[in-house]
Amino acid sequence: AQKITQTQPGMFVQEKEAVTLDCTYDTSDPSYGLFWYKQPSSGEMIFLIYQGSYDQQNATEGRYSLNFQKARKSANLVISASQLGDSAMYFCAMREGQRKIGTGFQKLVFGTGTRLLVSP
Amino acid sequence: GAVVSQHPSWVICKSGTSVKIECRSLDFQATTMFWYRQFPKQSLMLMATSNEGSKATYEQGVEKDKFLINHASLTLSTLTVTSAHPEDSSFYICSAAEREGWGETQYFGPGTRLLVL
Repeated sequence: AQKITQTQPGMFVQEKEAVTLDCTYDTSDPSYGLFWYKQPSSGEMIFLIYQGSYDQQNATEGRYSLNFQKARKSANLVISASQLGDSAMYFCAMREGQRKIGTGFQKLVFGTGTRLLVSP
Repeated sequence: GAVVSQHPSWVICKSGTSVKIECRSLDFQATTMFWYRQFPKQSLMLMATSNEGSKATYEQGVEKDKFLINHASLTLSTLTVTSAHPEDSSFYICSAAEREGWGETQYFGPGTRLLVL
């Protein structure tokens, strides 16, 4: 079963408008972290925002906010006031569990991504 | 955020040669680094987890003798694609994990595009 599901292969938005990119996840671990990354055409993966499973507040980072609905297992990314430079692939990812002593950091599982195109 | 570099950014090589890719954490010590592979228009696929001073942990289906990983220091991990073939052509990207107050984050390098002729 898919652990991270991004159902929107592509999204279009006009400049200065807000857009929501969907992400649902599946885990039985009570402790997990959710991440969003942006990948422009250059290929680099740029960290945008993080939400921990125990966080009470929705994460925000500048124009990015994460709409975290734990009961629905969704972690949608909201980009406000879209800019042309926001055109890119966006990946949702999940880390399950806490870092375990002696075994290092936990790996990330990625969704299939959503391509966002911002038009003038 | 933390900075991760990767070198080289582009590699074109002949079939049968070996290619080494370096991943460095520039402003923090990374006890754990990850190596991913990405095919065009697809998501990232984790190949292996590299822990400093110990053997890498490979994901199912990834040949450890084909993709050699060495994490010799807290700031450097290398991936060597041995006897590369055209099917190994791909985008390889590494990440380094840093512990932060509220958890941990993986910061990615800029990636290496490998083309095997």
